[in-house]
Amino acid sequence: QVQLVQSGAEVRKPGSTVKVSCKASGGTFKRYAFNWLRQAPGQGLEWMGRGIPAFGSGNYVQKFQGRVSLTTDESTTTAYMELSGLTSEDTAIYFCATSLYWGSGTRSALDLWGQGTAVIVSS
Amino acid sequence: DIQMTQSPSSLSASVGARVTISCRASQDISYDLAWFQQKPGKAPKSLIYGATSLQSGVPSKFSGSRSGTDFTLTISSLQPEDFATYYCQQYHSDPLTFGQGTKVEIK
Repeated sequence: QVQLVQSGAEVRKPGSTVKVSCKASGGTFKRYAFNWLRQAPGQGLEWMGRGIPAFGSGNYVQKFQGRVSLTTDESTTTAYMELSGLTSEDTAIYFCATSLYWGSGTRSALDLWGQGTAVIVSS
Repeated sequence: DIQMTQSPSSLSASVGARVTISCRASQDISYDLAWFQQKPGKAPKSLIYGATSLQSGVPSKFSGSRSGTDFTLTISSLQPEDFATYYCQQYHSDPLTFGQGTKVEIK
């Protein structure tokens, strides 16, 4: 079964970029999509999009289009979320979560989650 | 986008109580609904997928049901470890969307 371990907390200045990693161990890397979600302090969960190793592509929520890049590296079984143009509103815990993926139109539940990575944006 | 309306936003219940949490989708999502439990400072944990199927390792006191676009999570006998926030989430279509959460507190 897949286990997910995320990189450590980050502090960034407004306007800068952050890159968070999600290392997967166990399971078959290309069977999954790697979803990225975030949770602002005291708030609910927000899905940002998914990286798809089998196709080398990603799906993005329109809100984050042009600002987020979701990539995967099969050689290291690691998924990455890079977010640019940071503002204080991007201060949140960022989670990766797997879902099975077999092609466009896949409907598959989020299954395993990483432990979360705190990103603080402050001048 | 599909809107998920969850209720109540919070509830207080005693140990041993039966608890139900509701979630309504703004359009038909078939059985493409999941429930998650989140404790403070922790990642969400998957409880139920496909509206009614229990994730491996999740105790049978948790159950899910569907009636049209209305979904329910039931905890049959609340235990101290069940006090947490619960979220519903649809995966019928992108973007994946969540309910606002229900915080279950000790009475």
